[in-house]
Amino acid sequence: QTVVTQEPSFSVSPGGTVTLTCGLSSGSVSTHYYPSWYQQTPGQAPRTLIYSTNTRSSGVPDRFSGSILGNKAALTITGAQADDESDYYCVLYMGSGIWVFGGGTKLTVL
Amino acid sequence: QLQLQESGPGLVKPSEPLSLTCSVSGASISSGGFYWAWIRQPPGKGLDWIASIYYSGSTYYNPSLKSRVTISVDTSKNQFSLKLSSVTAADTAVYYCARQVDYDILTGPIYHFDFWGQGKLVTVSS
Repeated sequence: QTVVTQEPSFSVSPGGTVTLTCGLSSGSVSTHYYPSWYQQTPGQAPRTLIYSTNTRSSGVPDRFSGSILGNKAALTITGAQADDESDYYCVLYMGSGIWVFGGGTKLTVL
Repeated sequence: QLQLQESGPGLVKPSEPLSLTCSVSGASISSGGFYWAWIRQPPGKGLDWIASIYYSGSTYYNPSLKSRVTISVDTSKNQFSLKLSSVTAADTAVYYCARQVDYDILTGPIYHFDFWGQGKLVTVSS
């Protein structure tokens, strides 16, 4: 069974830079998995941030960027702000209509 | 602006079926070009993709849930629905419906979920 891995938690100082990653329990994440990233605050629906590895969704600030770093997909937040404190989820398209979400990263800004 | 709204019972008894409907406004499901998906989130846990459907009826299911899940579409009502049979407490979750984008005519494959409903909490309890 495919498992998509994310750091359970991360912290960043206001104004700092943080990179969250999205990996596979077996194998490497490439652009062919079309990694996308979602931000979720408590009680709210997820908000789409990044798709197709590095394309920002409409209205998403350019301090959010996506990439492939080594064998993982990555979400980098540059100049973190207090309201970036959220849960972040990646999802990979596995092909044949199948999607697998990562377990999510709880980001603290302090 | 596209909007999705989940509806259905908020409380389901164990072993009974869970049924939810997603009403879509601001776009027509029958226009094609998009799949429509169900995703759930148990309390305090992460997101889990359940199933996706195209207006033509083409479906894809999470292999771990496939034996209990049926997704369907009603283009006349611009809605799609989820049925999960034989529920247990482990099926307690917020259920989201979402629009799934697979392809852009200019850029090609761009698989992701771009619009989400607000979510519907379904509790399984006697």
